[in-house]
Amino acid sequence: EEQLVESGGGLVQPGGSLRLSCAASGFTSSTYSMNWVRQAPGRGLEWVSYISSSGNTKYYADSVKGRFAISRDNAENSLFLQMNSLRDEDTAVYYCARDRNRMDVWGQGTTVTVSS
Amino acid sequence: QSALTQPASVSGSPGQSITISCTGTSSDVGSYNLVSWYQQDPGKAPKLMIYEVSKRPSGLSNRFSGSKSGNTASLTISGLQAEDEADYYCCSYAGGSIPYVFGTGTKVTVL
Repeated sequence: EEQLVESGGGLVQPGGSLRLSCAASGFTSSTYSMNWVRQAPGRGLEWVSYISSSGNTKYYADSVKGRFAISRDNAENSLFLQMNSLRDEDTAVYYCARDRNRMDVWGQGTTVTVSS
Repeated sequence: QSALTQPASVSGSPGQSITISCTGTSSDVGSYNLVSWYQQDPGKAPKLMIYEVSKRPSGLSNRFSGSKSGNTASLTISGLQAEDEADYYCCSYAGGSIPYVFGTGTKVTVL
């Protein structure tokens, strides 16, 4: 079964940092581009970041540009999101999703809460 | 890049058909046949329902169908069932450095 499992969420103070991980199983993630998508409490889905299969191309939403960094370790079938200078408005469930010009496999999400 | 516009809510009785619209611009929905739709139950991850405007993933019910005209995409659910009650989001490829934009989301209620 193709599966994605996120981890690394938690409670962090404003200005703090957190690193999310996404482990792929059941498929070779190195052949796919990947995305991070988030959903604030009671709100809709927001695309956050994209990384190509090789890791050479990376894109970010304006709301996180300069603060978040996406990366991947294809040898470990893993995807990461380094989140720095966190703000209250970054509080959300963060999902990783496989990219095939659509997001066809999603993880269960990991919750990030930014609060003092 | 602004979110695609969806109605906040749509409702219908069991057995009826409903349609959810998703309005974008000539830079996203109007430019690419890469509109996808996602169903999300409360507290769960989104699930792909339609991709490339009108294609269904393997095993998905044919009660779900998609279409597009100009800058507006649509998802139709026919033969509405209680299990279809959920939030639905459209998403379009937008190219460039912001590859994806999601819709505002629609809550479907089965009366």
